[in-house]
Amino acid sequence: DQQVKQNSPSLSVQEGRISILNCDYTNSMFDYFLWYKKYPAEGPTFLISISSIKDKNEDGRFTVFLNKSAKHLSLHIVPSQPGDSAVYFCATGSYNTDKLIFGTGTRLQVFP
Amino acid sequence: EAEVAQSPRYKITEKSQAVAFWCDPISGHATLYWYRQILGQGPELLVQFQDESVVDDSQLPKDRFSAERLKGVDSTLKIQPAELGDSAMYLCASSLNRGETQYFGPGTRLLVL
Repeated sequence: DQQVKQNSPSLSVQEGRISILNCDYTNSMFDYFLWYKKYPAEGPTFLISISSIKDKNEDGRFTVFLNKSAKHLSLHIVPSQPGDSAVYFCATGSYNTDKLIFGTGTRLQVFP
Repeated sequence: EAEVAQSPRYKITEKSQAVAFWCDPISGHATLYWYRQILGQGPELLVQFQDESVVDDSQLPKDRFSAERLKGVDSTLKIQPAELGDSAMYLCASSLNRGETQYFGPGTRLLVL
């Protein structure tokens, strides 16, 4: 039973355009949501997070949107750069457990 | 910039052998996590420590896996005996405290033959 789903295994975007990565979850009790970026042969790197009481959080080129009624999370990267090419994982967490539940990842490729 | 250290980076072993992975969290981080990531999937939590105490090991296959953090700093994850299905990336993460952002190490890629 997958609680966090990333239905698109890959995404290809031209440099300068917007990248939109999506994530769906099933448990409405999650307290916060995060996005991690992972390069090959490296561990995941924290990118951005959002509390369940908010619907948007922005950090530079990265914006995360939370739609609680749809149980949907998205990450917008604009403008996309070749260095953004990586695997992106969404993750959810609860304050009472600390346990992060990760999606299966989306491989983003930004081409010139 | 402080980082989580892990060793070895790569490990090849034969099934039924014992393997051990080491993790040194960011200095001052009280919470330490071990995750396993199978190819094509996201990381899954195996065990969580708060200082030297286990907080959650519900997903740790205790018949063959063990983890310790004796002095509440670095940690070791052991598999004995290793099985073919244990081939995966083993990631260590740490956070300043429970509920804080988790920072990951580079991982140990295990291949069991």
